[in-house]
Amino acid sequence: ETGVTQTPRHLVMGMTNKKSLKCEQHLGHNAMYWYKQSAKKPLELMFVYNFKEQTENNSVPSRFSPECPNSSHLFLHLHTLQPEDSALYLCASSQEGLAEAGVRDTQYFGPGTRLTVL
Amino acid sequence: LAKTTQPISMDSYEGQEVNITCSHNNIATNDYITWYQQFPSQGPRFIIQGYKTKVTNEVASLFIPADRKSSTLSLPRVSLSDTAVYYCLVTGGFKTIFGAGTRLFVKA
Repeated sequence: ETGVTQTPRHLVMGMTNKKSLKCEQHLGHNAMYWYKQSAKKPLELMFVYNFKEQTENNSVPSRFSPECPNSSHLFLHLHTLQPEDSALYLCASSQEGLAEAGVRDTQYFGPGTRLTVL
Repeated sequence: LAKTTQPISMDSYEGQEVNITCSHNNIATNDYITWYQQFPSQGPRFIIQGYKTKVTNEVASLFIPADRKSSTLSLPRVSLSDTAVYYCLVTGGFKTIFGAGTRLFVKA
């Protein structure tokens, strides 16, 4: 399988449930990202991992917990979510593992997980 | 990060050339300009990236004037399948911020 894959593609969960989203990239990239896309809103960057280390947490509530065991896998653990957390959650990866300016860091996105919180 | 401004929506007809202009007045010296395309319920897809002047690939062309304060994505001979949201981004390092994008609707 090539590119960036995400599972599950669709998820419905109650507010008291615990679930996890999985992302896997087969591109040999060093950086991975989680984005949230709510209806009629721009994509919001949530987390960035660079060589398995978290380099960005964009003021995301603690009910979202990321995990990056290696450069190819990224998880987003969910617990006690709210209905307003319903959205499309997108994972992306990019080649460069460097944060210095001028890096042409093209991101490759997965198909997303459509999450509905009841 | 440089903020980008682009039209909210555009309409076109099949076979026409579409030009979408993006403003990024505060672009930094080392920033690149990147365009993505997104279909409903899918992740954005990279279209083209440039630093200055003109870049062309099999999908689109990107025109960047000397002052780099704006850029224009040109889609030649659009088809119905080009109906999507197009995002203009200024990218430098990890912090990539997506704006609202331009919703292009191609009519038959």
